[in-house]
Amino acid sequence: DTGVSQDPRHKITKRGQNVTFRCDPISEHNRLYWYRQTLGQGPEFLTYFQNEAQLEKSRLLSDRFSAERPKGSFSTLEIQRTEQGDSAMYLCASSLPVAGGHYNEQFFGPGTRLTVL
Amino acid sequence: ILNVEQSPQSLHVQEGDSTNFTCSFPSSNFYALHWYRWETAKSPEALFVMTLNGDEKKKGRISATLNTKEGYSYLYIKGSQPEDSATYLCAFIAGGGADGLTFGKGTHLIIQP
Repeated sequence: DTGVSQDPRHKITKRGQNVTFRCDPISEHNRLYWYRQTLGQGPEFLTYFQNEAQLEKSRLLSDRFSAERPKGSFSTLEIQRTEQGDSAMYLCASSLPVAGGHYNEQFFGPGTRLTVL
Repeated sequence: ILNVEQSPQSLHVQEGDSTNFTCSFPSSNFYALHWYRWETAKSPEALFVMTLNGDEKKKGRISATLNTKEGYSYLYIKGSQPEDSATYLCAFIAGGGADGLTFGKGTHLIIQP
């Protein structure tokens, strides 16, 4: 399967614990995006990378959140000291360079469902 | 803050009927509008990338139109089938197009046999 993959698919944790999610994009895609979707809302943009550089962070990304893409391939999203409000679906997407006329068509993974107890 | 609205929020349609729903978005600084279909437990699937005012795109029984001057797009499904049941999301991109997508809340479509 050459699509975007995410691991784990589900994560249940207790409040105050740290969690880390992984995203493996489509191999030739240099852009990688993280989104969060809470109940009743559409996905909300968190951050994106072009290769290994993190180019934009949403104000939704508090200090407890950190994302990395160290070699420009897979990415990790870590949440420290989780809160119940962090419970959500975390989606990852990847895309080809915008300059290629792809209009930033993003391909999504299946998401990681986080439940904070 | 970009405002993307979708209506209705949910829709029950009888199998075989046709239906449509709306996405409204800012009419300035337009780059592209994307439509996605998201079925439970699956990845959101790209349906259309709309870029030019007046665009009409079609994939099987599903089609979409775009009006960038007034800031709206319609998605149409002809002859609804149970497999069309999903949440349909539209997402707006402004400016140079490199930023994250701004999504609406989606239209949750249920096709009743």
